[in-house]
Amino acid sequence: EVQLVESGGGLVQPGGSLKLSCAASGFTFSDSAMHWVRQASGKGLEWVGRIRSKGNNYATAYAASVKGRFTISRDDSKNMAYLQMNSLKTEDTAVYYCTTWGMGFDYWGQGILVTVSS
Amino acid sequence: SYELTQPPSVSVSPGQTARITCSADALPKQYAYWYQQKPGQAPVLVIYKDNERPSGIPERFSGSTSGTTVTLTISGVQAEDEADYYCQSADSSGTYVFGTGTKFTVL
Repeated sequence: EVQLVESGGGLVQPGGSLKLSCAASGFTFSDSAMHWVRQASGKGLEWVGRIRSKGNNYATAYAASVKGRFTISRDDSKNMAYLQMNSLKTEDTAVYYCTTWGMGFDYWGQGILVTVSS
Repeated sequence: SYELTQPPSVSVSPGQTARITCSADALPKQYAYWYQQKPGQAPVLVIYKDNERPSGIPERFSGSTSGTTVTLTISGVQAEDEADYYCQSADSSGTYVFGTGTKFTVL
């Protein structure tokens, strides 16, 4: 059974940093691209970014809204993906999901809440 | 930036057919994908590559495309289909985009 479990969320002040983790199991993590998607309360889904597999040179891509502030990384030895968020803004407040790309975004974590507020 | 526009809301009675559209603002259009999201839950993939259905998704869900507009059709709507629906695609630079979302109500 595929499982994705996010952790590391919480309350952070504007301008601060936070690192989210995504623990994966039940599939060949090292062969999979990992994505992060977020959703502000009552709003739609927003793609944040992705990291490809080693075979694709761990290539990353980001949404314009987070480029230069957020960094996605992975540790294939631990089946973990990470989202490092710096220079956080109030508009980054959202539930953050990690998800895999197969046929589409076919497996999702339960989501983790990040609140940016003073 | 690439945008995908959906109607804010669609409602139909049980047993009827519902259609939710998703319009891209530019060509070329890559494949479209559709997700169902119920309150408090993560999204679920219901259509991939414009019109393919993942295993476990009921046959009443189907997808189609015409020009720069894609459509999710739910035939014989059931109460359990009430949810938010999002289309998704990618732009030419390889970044991914979600549609604005449609709140689907079963009357």
